[in-house]
Amino acid sequence: AQSVAQPEDQVNVAEGNPLTVKCTYSVSGNPYLFWYVQYPNRGLQFLLKYITGDNLVKGSYGFEAEFNKSQTSFHLKKPSALVSDSALYFCAVRVSNFGNEKLTFGTGTRLTIIP
Amino acid sequence: DVKVTQSSRYLVKRTGEKVFLECVQDMDHENMFWYRQDPGLGLRLIYFSYDVKMKEKGDIPEGYSVSREKKERFSLILESASTNQTSMYLCASSLVSKNTEAFFGQGTRLTVV
Repeated sequence: AQSVAQPEDQVNVAEGNPLTVKCTYSVSGNPYLFWYVQYPNRGLQFLLKYITGDNLVKGSYGFEAEFNKSQTSFHLKKPSALVSDSALYFCAVRVSNFGNEKLTFGTGTRLTIIP
Repeated sequence: DVKVTQSSRYLVKRTGEKVFLECVQDMDHENMFWYRQDPGLGLRLIYFSYDVKMKEKGDIPEGYSVSREKKERFSLILESASTNQTSMYLCASSLVSKNTEAFFGQGTRLTVV
């Protein structure tokens, strides 16, 4: 079975400071990893993904994420937080083996950027 | 841009009613998904479909059914709504290739009273 853990329900960061939202995963096989963001009363918006290759992935709105196979982690990062980054963030995983289309999500991390 | 449209943003239904949630995508995606989102539980997969008339149960299919008669449309059906089905429902679609992201609709907040 595949699973995703987001160990922090809430992360608070001062505006201008770097931010990290943590994600660890468990799969049998090679993972495809995704980050999504959700603003209030909206659906999920895709931020970035790791498929293969470079462990540092860059995405929308200045976000990036680092894939670490040995630690089975895929933490979301941004060098300088903006108030507008305040939202709910979800990590998701899908395995690469044939026949499994399931995309499994974590429980989400609420990011609050303090002005 | 890919567009996934859910027919209602907000719904209020009575216990025991049959409820239909509709989702339409305009990018010819093979896969379509229904998730429910609850605080502290994240997104949980109810059903997904990888082709017309094809469906697979997700993690929490009990009390739900689905219909996919056309490629662009995926319906979620609550056969007899109950208060524990009050939730945010999210539809998504994607290409069959696993390295592509899923695209989500804006969500339907369903309240069962």
